[in-house]
Formats: sequence, C-alpha cells, structure tokens
Amino acid sequence: GDSVTQMEGPVTLSEEAFLTINCTYTATGYPSLFWYVQYPGEGLQLLLKATKADDKGSNKGFEATYRKETTSFHLEKGSVQVSDSAVYFCALSDPGGSYIPTFGRGTSLIVHP
Amino acid sequence: DTGVSQNPRHKITKRGQNVTFRCDPISEHNRLYWYRQTLGQGPEFLTYFQNEAQLEKSRLLSDRFSAERPKGSFSTLEIQRTEQGDSAMYLCASSLYGEMANEQFFGPGTRLTVL
Repeated sequence: GDSVTQMEGPVTLSEEAFLTINCTYTATGYPSLFWYVQYPGEGLQLLLKATKADDKGSNKGFEATYRKETTSFHLEKGSVQVSDSAVYFCALSDPGGSYIPTFGRGTSLIVHP
Repeated sequence: DTGVSQNPRHKITKRGQNVTFRCDPISEHNRLYWYRQTLGQGPEFLTYFQNEAQLEKSRLLSDRFSAERPKGSFSTLEIQRTEQGDSAMYLCASSLYGEMANEQFFGPGTRLTVL
C-alpha cells in the first residue's frame, strides 16, 4: 500500500539556518503530496501541497517540489525562526479515491535563538 | 471561532469504561474524519462521514469503536470497554468534498489515557 517515510528527528537548528526535512513516498498511482505542521498544543495545519510532478508548493517561506523520478517531496526553508519550532508531517493522498491522507511519522524541528 | 473544535481535550478513564468524544466541524464542511495518533507516529485514519453517511471505516476501527454524525453536523466517537492500547490522541478533521477534500482542517484533538 501507499506509505510515506520521513527523516527522523529531532532536527535542531539555530535561528536563520537553512532547513531541509526529507520525505520520500511509495504509491501505486499519482498521488497528491502535502506537508502539515503541528504546533505544540494545536491541531495539524496544512502548510503546502503539490498535486502533480514538478509542482512546487510554497507557503510562509517553506517550499517543497514534487519529484516523481525520485519519489520525494523534501521540505525546505532558507532561514528558520524560533516560531517555526513544531512537528512537520509529510503526507500523500490518492486523488482518484477518497482523498484520505497517509501520513509519515513526523519530524520534530527545534529552533534555538 | 470557526475552526474545528473537540471536547473534551483530555480524558482519563479506567480500563473497561466507555468514553465518548465530540467533534464540531467547520459549519459548511460536508466531510468529517476521525484519526488516531500515538506518540511518535503520524495520524492514522479511522473513519469518515460525508454529511450523515459513514462512507469508509479503517480496519483499525474495531467493533468496540462506533462513530455517528446524526444530522450531518457534529460527530461523536464512542469507545466501549476501553483498553490500555486505546490510549492515544484522537483527532477530528473536516473538509469540503471532491477535490477540496485535499485540504482538511484539524481540531486540537482529545487525548485519552486509559489506566
């Protein structure tokens, strides 16, 4: 079945550092890909998405590009802030089905001042 | 506040007791989803409704679990005869239908601890 693999955390960075969180997927069709963010004590929020190969999703300075050839959707940000500290989840869904997402295990990001 | 709300936020119960959680979705959303999240894992799908119809159930949803959405608005998730393995965060989400179902809005979750 479909699955998502994320790099293990925590990822610890200093403010203004460059961020990469790796995500790879396995799917039989052509899934849509997502990054969700979960701040402490809050529900998950959709951060960005891409629905077809070579699409780039972007939001709040975060970017991810749908790479079909490497089955990847890595999350990047050029300069992280303390307020970016959260857990980040990569997910996929089958647009031909019920749109139920399959989530990765999440990667915790800790940004120090 | 027009987001997804869940009550209670925390529930501690003894093994064997029944518990019920409530989810109030965003008012114009047709779809409502329940997920379970354990420590260090991503959310796992349990079931979803489109309006009042329960359209899909995961094999994770054992016969001790039942969910309802009687009027197509709020939903309840009941767990009967709770077990320690039921301890988890239970998340609710809502969305529009069709392609708009790609964007789900999550509530803050109900954390269940079974002693």
